[in-house]
Amino acid sequence: AQTVTQSQPEMSVQEAETVTLSCTYDTSESDYYLFWYKQPPSRQMILVIRQEAYKQQNATENRFSVNFQKAAKSFSLKISDSQLGDAAMYFCAPSSTLGRLYFGRGTQLTVWP
Amino acid sequence: EPEVTQTPSHQVTQMGQEVILRCVPISNHLYFYWYRQILGQKVEFLVSFYNNEISEKSEIFDDQFSVERPDGSNFTLKIRSTKLEDSAMYFCASRGRRGADTQYFGPGTRLTVL
Repeated sequence: AQTVTQSQPEMSVQEAETVTLSCTYDTSESDYYLFWYKQPPSRQMILVIRQEAYKQQNATENRFSVNFQKAAKSFSLKISDSQLGDAAMYFCAPSSTLGRLYFGRGTQLTVWP
Repeated sequence: EPEVTQTPSHQVTQMGQEVILRCVPISNHLYFYWYRQILGQKVEFLVSFYNNEISEKSEIFDDQFSVERPDGSNFTLKIRSTKLEDSAMYFCASRGRRGADTQYFGPGTRLTVL
């Protein structure tokens, strides 16, 4: 089983600034994938970004990027040029080889104008 | 853009009653999942389904739960005798063939057990 730790229950950022959300995980699997999902107040789960663990290059998706440190089992999310619409609960979720997602407890991000 | 749909959006039931939550996954997807999220808590895996059988289930998914793909489009979660602690948001998700494929989530069904 995988354990996922998001050590920041809450974070806040000023609009247009940069914020980093941290995530560490523990897995015995050698081949897996990692995801960040956001959950706005509507509670819909929306994919933000994904990373294949076998790839050394960090994934980037527009204003969102990750810092993936496989040996340290760390997978942080950086949001650049934060926007009001980025306010949501963010979940880090590694997957098993069978595809099951393991979720952390989430980080509630507030964006101030 | 294809999406996962779920019905109903909100279900209220009495303790001990059976409920069926319905999902329509994205049409060319092969792997299907149910998760639940009790209010204020983290998202928990329930079960995964592939090739018309359960491929993995969690400790939560006991014999009160069952899943079915009755036709080519629907994927259902049945709770036979609901308990108060089953009150949660239930999410269906689906993904394509490759291991790297993303799981896409439906909007969820909020289940309230009274």
